[in-house]
Amino acid sequence: NAGVMQNPRHLVRRRGQEARLRCSPMKGHSHVYWYRQLPEEGLKFMVYLQKENIIDESGMPKERFSAEFPKEGPSILRIQQVVRGDSAAYFCASSQRTVYMNTEAFFGQGTRLTVV
Amino acid sequence: GDSVTQMEGPVTLSEEACLTINCTYTATGYPSLFWYVQYPGEGLQLLLKATKADDKGSNKGFEATYRKETTSFHLEKGSVQVSDSAVYFCALSDPEGAQKLVFGQGTRLTINP
Repeated sequence: NAGVMQNPRHLVRRRGQEARLRCSPMKGHSHVYWYRQLPEEGLKFMVYLQKENIIDESGMPKERFSAEFPKEGPSILRIQQVVRGDSAAYFCASSQRTVYMNTEAFFGQGTRLTVV
Repeated sequence: GDSVTQMEGPVTLSEEACLTINCTYTATGYPSLFWYVQYPGEGLQLLLKATKADDKGSNKGFEATYRKETTSFHLEKGSVQVSDSAVYFCALSDPEGAQKLVFGQGTRLTINP
């Protein structure tokens, strides 16, 4: 059973370009979470999705950021018109049920976005 | 809102030394508590967890006890190894939001041979 797969592992974008980060959850997991880790900081929650639904996007910046988790295929975190401050590691996690229901969330290896 | 505060790092120890990384939390309800470990270039791995007061989580020689009276979940290990060098994150599951983890800022641990 493969773990949470994120790609690409490293992504370099010029200011103003779009960044697309992909996350394939573990088999059987229907809950996906995205977190951002700025250099030397902890992880900050961005968004929580179930299949085809955004459940909680309270941590998403209001502009330029969007996320989806379609019925088929991976979850996508999309950042439009990237700026240098978007440079960070973006981690995806998946679980069978919500974290609060005593279910472990498994993390991917992350995508390290560098904006030049 | 809910928050987690960890001991400031970095922490450098010699092999076989005792380790304590402090973690305290603020939460309105009764969260579950976690320690995650991040090895260089890797994602986060769950190290241990506790879901209610006085529970003790343990794994790979690490332990942490859920102390409701002091709102703490300190990570301890009696004898560290070089392979324990990593960044350690304390986290809680947000009882209000019920869907997300709230992380501390992380503590970088380096073990010298």
